[in-house]
Amino acid sequence: GAVVSQHPSRVICKSGTSVKIECRSLDFQATTMFWYRQFPKQSLMLMATSNEGSKATYEQGVEKDKFLINHASLTLSTLTVTSAHPEDSSFYICSASELKGRETQYFGPGTRLLVL
Amino acid sequence: GQNIDQPTEMTATEGAIVQINCTYQTSGFNGLFWYQQHAGEAPTFLSYNVLDGLEEKGRFSSFLSRSKGYSYLLLKELQMKDSASYLCAVRSGGYQKVTFGTGTKLQVIP
Repeated sequence: GAVVSQHPSRVICKSGTSVKIECRSLDFQATTMFWYRQFPKQSLMLMATSNEGSKATYEQGVEKDKFLINHASLTLSTLTVTSAHPEDSSFYICSASELKGRETQYFGPGTRLLVL
Repeated sequence: GQNIDQPTEMTATEGAIVQINCTYQTSGFNGLFWYQQHAGEAPTFLSYNVLDGLEEKGRFSSFLSRSKGYSYLLLKELQMKDSASYLCAVRSGGYQKVTFGTGTKLQVIP
């Protein structure tokens, strides 16, 4: 299947700093990437849909200015958590669709963020 | 909006068969996915159904009935490593948006 990578896999930062997470589709082009957040023992919550070359579409309740998304190319999308606070600590996962008819979403390995 | 329901937890015996159900309500249905997620890891793709019927892939099978808004994931010959959460996800509308259910935590016991 298609491969999606994320970097970093784990990050610890101080409250008030910004953290950038990269999501890359390694062997296919993804016009659409998705960013999810998952709190312990809960399911994935879609934060935003990222389309190459256009503004991201955010889900209700997700602050656009706090979670900046950039989808500069067909293989890279970035999520920047600005002015991070402890409540932003979570597991952030991206996914991308391989456009071969079935358009299955493949997930990256996730980034575990801990804000102190 | 969308509403996806699946049982919170299930327990099954090694070597047995287990069926995990998922019901959904959505507009603009465009496919249903099943993912497996082990604790602390990202989900991995299991199956995709867009037409009614059963799709079989090794020990795993997935069924879809669009008219009933119903799907199930069938796991045969259960192994201990199958202990994980199983997520039902529905795609609908534009931009291929996929919404996940809360997941079913399956525990396989000896």
